[in-house]
Amino acid sequence: SQQGEEDPQALSIQEGENATMNCSYKTSINNLQWYRQNSGRGLVHLILIRSNEREKHSGRLRVTLDTSKKSSSLLITASRAADTASYFCATDGYGQNFVFGPGTRLSVLP
Amino acid sequence: SQTIHQWPATLVQPVGSPLSLECTVEGTSNPNLYWYRQAAGRGLQLLFYSVGIGQISSEVPQNLSASRPQDRQFILSSKKLLLSDSGFYLCAWSVDILLGLEAFFGQGTRLTVV
Repeated sequence: SQQGEEDPQALSIQEGENATMNCSYKTSINNLQWYRQNSGRGLVHLILIRSNEREKHSGRLRVTLDTSKKSSSLLITASRAADTASYFCATDGYGQNFVFGPGTRLSVLP
Repeated sequence: SQTIHQWPATLVQPVGSPLSLECTVEGTSNPNLYWYRQAAGRGLQLLFYSVGIGQISSEVPQNLSASRPQDRQFILSSKKLLLSDSGFYLCAWSVDILLGLEAFFGQGTRLTVV
């Protein structure tokens, strides 16, 4: 069964606003990662948070992890048109597999 | 530095024809290799993964197969394509997921079966 589930499925905001995406998962994890995908391209790693961490920052990105609720959130502050992309969370499912959620399509309007 | 090459970028194939997509990794040894398929506007479905030469694990029963003839080469194949095989195929590699090391993706192959 699918491990990660992002919501919302789609998000449209104005440039300069903050964008928040959420991810829920079902089983225990060692770490959770967020990836970005521009249309028709491969995925690019954004940030990783380990199961013993609660919050992590990288530039305009802030990730939180609540293992008791099996959920994570990705916040992009001061969004730009160039942030328009799909964002996926990925967990270590079992063994050496990444399990990806269905993603959130973010549109940042100029 | 490590790089991953995936080709071709786009492919249009008739139903019933064979398929071979190739992925190679440079700059690392004994990587974990992955093939994912992505339907339009959807998430990634893991098709195959490999932790070593000749070691292939399949996640879903399907019309596809994978092989790893060399340490840094991963091939996705089909003997006879179906319409339902259309999609965006992504190859990826990683060193160790459990250690929290990221996956690196190729640029993908857009396969259209007609």
